[in-house]
Amino acid sequence: QKEVEQNSGPLSVPEGAIASLNCTYSDRGSQSFFWYRQYSGKSPELIMSIYSNGDKEDGRFTAQLNKASQYVSLLIRDSQPSDSATYLCAVTEDMRFGAGTRLTVKP
Amino acid sequence: DAGVTQSPTHLIKTRGQQVTLRCSPKSGHDTVSWYQQALGQGPQFIFQYYEEEERQRGNFPDRFSGHQFPNYSSELNVNALLLGDSALYLCASSPRDNEQFFGPGTRLTVL
Repeated sequence: QKEVEQNSGPLSVPEGAIASLNCTYSDRGSQSFFWYRQYSGKSPELIMSIYSNGDKEDGRFTAQLNKASQYVSLLIRDSQPSDSATYLCAVTEDMRFGAGTRLTVKP
Repeated sequence: DAGVTQSPTHLIKTRGQQVTLRCSPKSGHDTVSWYQQALGQGPQFIFQYYEEEERQRGNFPDRFSGHQFPNYSSELNVNALLLGDSALYLCASSPRDNEQFFGPGTRLTVL
């Protein structure tokens, strides 16, 4: 069974800190990875995509991919209270999402 | 440019009834995927449509069926509703094999 695993949290960080969110996947053949943010009662919103090993930066967000270890992570620098949401990791080939990690940024 | 739209926003049905949910993709997108999201869970893939054909299907029973129209819009049909079908139903569109963008969802409650 192909799986996408995330720590459910909640993960709590103070405002201005770095939040680190992790995701592991079971299918070694996976090539496309995505991070979505979902506010309570809303639909998922695409934050970043990553396809190659290494880091990809977009503003305060950095996605990291390590295919050998089968994990993908998302770092949020200078965390803001508005970043408080559930973060979903997705592997597109299988259309699989993790259960999400709930992040709370405390002022 | 309108994003992905879904209708209706909310829906209440009783067990055994049938429901149809609708989705219009983002302009320029030809692929539509449907997901079911239960409270506190990640989205579960139902199926994907491309060129009016079901291209890929998740682990959902045949009670869940769909259709894609020539203008790329799509419908999700669920027959013989069960209490466990209560969830947020999400439609996502994409250019083929690319990033998916979600609509606002339809909240289905089965009583």
